[in-house]
Amino acid sequence: DGGITQSPKYLFRKEGQNVTLSCEQNLNHDAMYWYRQDPGQGLRLIYYSQIVNDFQKGDIAEGYSVSREKKESFPLTVTSAQKNPTAFYLCASSIAGPLGGGLDTEAFFGQGTRLTVV
Amino acid sequence: GQNIDQPTEMTATEGAIVQINCTYQTSGFNGLFWYQQHAGEAPTFLSYNVLDGLEEKGRFSSFLSRSKGYSYLLLKELQMKDSASYLCAVRVDRGSTLGRLYFGRGTQLTVWP
Repeated sequence: DGGITQSPKYLFRKEGQNVTLSCEQNLNHDAMYWYRQDPGQGLRLIYYSQIVNDFQKGDIAEGYSVSREKKESFPLTVTSAQKNPTAFYLCASSIAGPLGGGLDTEAFFGQGTRLTVV
Repeated sequence: GQNIDQPTEMTATEGAIVQINCTYQTSGFNGLFWYQQHAGEAPTFLSYNVLDGLEEKGRFSSFLSRSKGYSYLLLKELQMKDSASYLCAVRVDRGSTLGRLYFGRGTQLTVWP
């Protein structure tokens, strides 16, 4: 079955440690995204990638890093520089799509990783 | 930046109809999505509008007015399982950036028996 997989679902880390969240998709999507969700807030974009070996900062990239060495994979590293890392992290993918848009440009989401830093 | 506004909370009773509004201000608009998200889970796709008008899909319908920067999601025959957060998202295509989605804060809908 095609889909997008995040692991692990729950993650605990000590303050000051870097941690990497995994995101894999087998939908053959070019575009992949990382969002952060905090209570009472919408999804805020951390990083996105439209093609392999290229990625761009979103609205809250500070304290995070990503890589896109393969089309299927877009791991997110939460570094010790991120001041408030405890949050629900969502990975998504989509067809990047032409300027004409279209229904098939919807984003598919992974199940999320809840990171708690203590 | 992009401004996407939707109410924070709404309540309704089982069997009723509820309308969740979303207004947006953006350049490079190329479509509006509605997602449903249950607590602690991933958002799931509900609907997509790019042209003005109403799209109907079973109990759910979505409307878009591009000139007014306005959309709504209409839920009919409400069921308890419809209690969730509903996210409005605008797709922006601008320059070399394609397909970026900007999300509103979500509307938490509670359905009472």
